[in-house]
Amino acid sequence: GEDVEQSLFLSVREGDSSVINCTYTDSSSTYLYWYKQEPGAGLQLLTYIFSNMDMKQDQRLTVLLNKKDKHLSLRIADTQTGDSAIYFCAETYWGRDDKIIFGKGTRLHILP
Amino acid sequence: GAVVSQHPSRVICKSGTSVKIECRSLDFQATTMFWYRQFPKQSLMLMATSNEGSKATYEQGVEKDKFLINHASLTLSTLTVTSAHPEDSSFYICSAREIGNRNTGELFFGEGSRLTVL
Repeated sequence: GEDVEQSLFLSVREGDSSVINCTYTDSSSTYLYWYKQEPGAGLQLLTYIFSNMDMKQDQRLTVLLNKKDKHLSLRIADTQTGDSAIYFCAETYWGRDDKIIFGKGTRLHILP
Repeated sequence: GAVVSQHPSRVICKSGTSVKIECRSLDFQATTMFWYRQFPKQSLMLMATSNEGSKATYEQGVEKDKFLINHASLTLSTLTVTSAHPEDSSFYICSAREIGNRNTGELFFGEGSRLTVL
């Protein structure tokens, strides 16, 4: 079945760039997403990318997609303490009953 | 952006009782809502897809008689945990997609409901 994998933890110093990586198995994926979850809260969509794109940039966020390797990354420039959260990679294919498959989430810890 | 509200945010109940969690889209209509369960430090597990005016579609391994879902209107879906037991204690999150918003596929998430069964 479909699967989304990502590392569970990442520690980054404040001001540095954070890069969170994700791999997925479904070659039919149409949309790929990055969601952010702060403690005790629901998920917030950070950004998404169509499968026919290689890169998308939105202020401090840069998403890179390598469709051949089924690899997605999220780069957060100038990481701030407010970026501390769990980041979920997710993917979907509209032929799959609109279901979105999530990875286990990467907990980003900001070092002073 | 669109807002999804869940209620209650926290609930504690005795074993054997039933608990209802509401998920409302406040400023948009949603034909489809999704219910997730999240265990500590783990990902979201999709439990079921709730479709307005029809029966919910449950994921494999999710007991439909245990987790009753009703999507009575375009802005409200409810999840009822029947005869709750301690192992049902979890963080339940709903999400909704605005009608016609399949271009981005963006889901709007509720704040979650933490259920503790004693």
